[in-house]
Amino acid sequence: DAKTTQPNSMESNEEEPVHLPCNHSTISGTDYIHWYRQLPSQGPEYVIHGLTSNVNNRMASLAIAEDRKSSTLILHRATLRDAAVYYCILTKTSGTYKYIFGTGTRLKVLA
Amino acid sequence: DTEVTQTPKHLVMGMTNKKSLKCEQHMGHRAMYWYKQKAKKPPELMFVYSYEKLSINESVPSRFSPECPNSSLLNLHLHALQPEDSALYLCASSQDRRAPLHFGNGTRLTVT
Repeated sequence: DAKTTQPNSMESNEEEPVHLPCNHSTISGTDYIHWYRQLPSQGPEYVIHGLTSNVNNRMASLAIAEDRKSSTLILHRATLRDAAVYYCILTKTSGTYKYIFGTGTRLKVLA
Repeated sequence: DTEVTQTPKHLVMGMTNKKSLKCEQHMGHRAMYWYKQKAKKPPELMFVYSYEKLSINESVPSRFSPECPNSSLLNLHLHALQPEDSALYLCASSQDRRAPLHFGNGTRLTVT
């Protein structure tokens, strides 16, 4: 299974953009890139996913490198409620259903 | 509130007890998952059911026994657990292998 590498922790000021990086150098051509976040005392929550093109939704944007070996989750204006652990996951489009979580990035948002 | 409901929220059990965790979803999803999460660690995949059939068992000890009685329900039967099995047990579902996972808020299990 392809692995992802993320920084252990990051800090951001409230109301500022946050760029959360993820390296996945062994990604295969059919792997989707998913991002989830986990707030304290809750299950993980879906944020965004993509294959090759950049993606936007109401929560965030996903920027995918041209070679697909890395991606960046962008929170446009961080709020205190965005403080969470963010996980980058690769999922296959063939074979079995398997989502393997990496170690994640703990985001701290400063007021 | 989540669309995946897990019960109970908390469970304390002795090492000789038998208990079950329950997970329910009514989104029509055909894949359901059990994850185990220790404090400050990422969720670890335990089991995957696809169309009510067990498709992945990540070498989980036999004291954990999953069951999928229908497409909306997923159970995890527990027997003769060890204190190190104390963790947050998360259930999730997805429409297909490319679709996002929907997680419940978990059952916090303590084995005494």
